[in-house]
Amino acid sequence: DGGITQSPKYLFRKEGQNVTLSCEQNLNHDAMYWYRQDPGQGLRLIYYSQIVNDFQKGDIAEGYSVSREKKESFPLTVTSAQKNPTAFYLCASSTGGDIYSNQPQHFGDGTRLSIL
Amino acid sequence: DQQVKQNSPSLSVQEGRISILNCDYTNSMFDYFLWYKKYPAEGPTFLISISSIKDKNEDGRFTVFLNKSAKHLSLHIVPSQPGDSAVYFCAASDATGNQFYFGTGTSLTVIP
Repeated sequence: DGGITQSPKYLFRKEGQNVTLSCEQNLNHDAMYWYRQDPGQGLRLIYYSQIVNDFQKGDIAEGYSVSREKKESFPLTVTSAQKNPTAFYLCASSTGGDIYSNQPQHFGDGTRLSIL
Repeated sequence: DQQVKQNSPSLSVQEGRISILNCDYTNSMFDYFLWYKKYPAEGPTFLISISSIKDKNEDGRFTVFLNKSAKHLSLHIVPSQPGDSAVYFCAASDATGNQFYFGTGTSLTVIP
């Protein structure tokens, strides 16, 4: 079955440590996205990538980094510079392109990150 | 600043009745609107969409209405079923489709 896999489901980080969240898709989608969800807030875009080896900052990119070396993979690193990293992180993918060709985003089941 | 707003955090409806979920947006450049449904501990799943050239789109029990002049869209679920109980997010994008802006969600409870 095609889909998006995020791992792990729960992740704990010590203060001052970097941590990487995994996102893999086998939908052959060009575009991939990372969102953050906090209680009482909508999904906020961290980074997105429309094509391999290219990515763009979203609204809240500070303290995060990404790479897109393969079409299937879009890992997100939460660095020690992110002052409030505790949140629910969602990865998504789509066919990409403008809205006339783009299909809706498919989401993974998320990773919940907590600070120890 | 929240560009997409869902002002009702929760909604309860009797089974068989209509559920109406509302969403307002501020950016006049938004051209494409979507509704997602989310169950606990899962990612959102796409429900229905509408582009700005339409004012209504229907898919089975789900209908989305768009009022561009009011910058308002709504999702109607008729008849509501207990399995519809979930959090519903609306989202919007301009024509580039590069970024989607999400509302804060409305938690729908359908009472059997």
